[in-house]
Amino acid sequence: NAGVTQTPKFQVLKTGQSMTLQCAQDMNHNSMYWYRQDPGMGLRLIYYSASEGTTDKGEVPNGYNVSRLNKREFSLRLESAAPSQTSVYFCASREWGYSNQPQHFGDGTRLSIL
Amino acid sequence: GQQVMQIPQYQHVQEGEDFTTYCNSSTTLSNIQWYKQRPGGHPVFLIQLVKSGEVKKQKRLTFQFGEAKKNSSLHITATQTTDVGTYFCSNNAGNMLTFGGGTRLMVKP
Repeated sequence: NAGVTQTPKFQVLKTGQSMTLQCAQDMNHNSMYWYRQDPGMGLRLIYYSASEGTTDKGEVPNGYNVSRLNKREFSLRLESAAPSQTSVYFCASREWGYSNQPQHFGDGTRLSIL
Repeated sequence: GQQVMQIPQYQHVQEGEDFTTYCNSSTTLSNIQWYKQRPGGHPVFLIQLVKSGEVKKQKRLTFQFGEAKKNSSLHITATQTTDVGTYFCSNNAGNMLTFGGGTRLMVKP
C-alpha cells in the first residue's frame, strides 16, 4: 500500500522553464491537495480538488495550475518557473464528505529554481 | 479561512524535560488536527480534537482543546530524541485545512 506517491523527488529548473509535478494516491480518497513549504515555514495551500472534476484555489495559487486527471491523480504545473517558487511541494489526500478525516501526505518534491 | 497561530516557533529542551506548544485562534474552531513532521520528512497525522474541553493522550503526548474551542495545546512529558521535529496544528474549514506555522522542537541528548 503506497499511499500518496509524488514524482519527481528532486528537481532543479532554470527561471522560465516549465514542469509538472505528479501525485497519485491509492486510498480511493475523493479530495486531493497541493501545498508548498518554504524553509522554516508552515504549509500553504496552493490548490485543492474536493472531488474528481473540481479544482479550487487555495491561499497561494498564483503561478500554478492544476489538473485532476482522475480520482487517483492530481498534478501541479509551473508554466514559467520563478526563483520565488523554490520550495518543497507536498501533495495530500483525504476522504471528505462526512467527519473530518486526516490528510495523508506524500514524501514531497524538492524544487530549486535558479 | 480561519487562521491559527502557533507559539513558540522554536523550542530547545534537554532530553527528559517537558515541552508544550500552543495553537490559538481569534474565532471558534470546528476542530483541531495535530501533525508531526520529522526533519526532511512529511507531515504525519497525530490526532483530532472536536469537543469543547476535550483531552486525549497518546503515551507521553497530551492534547487539549480549549473550552471555548479557540485554542489547543500539545504537551510532551519527558521528551526523547525521537520527539524531534515540527509540530503543526490545523483547522478544518470546509474542505480545506489551514495550518499553523508550526513549533520546531529540538532535543539535546
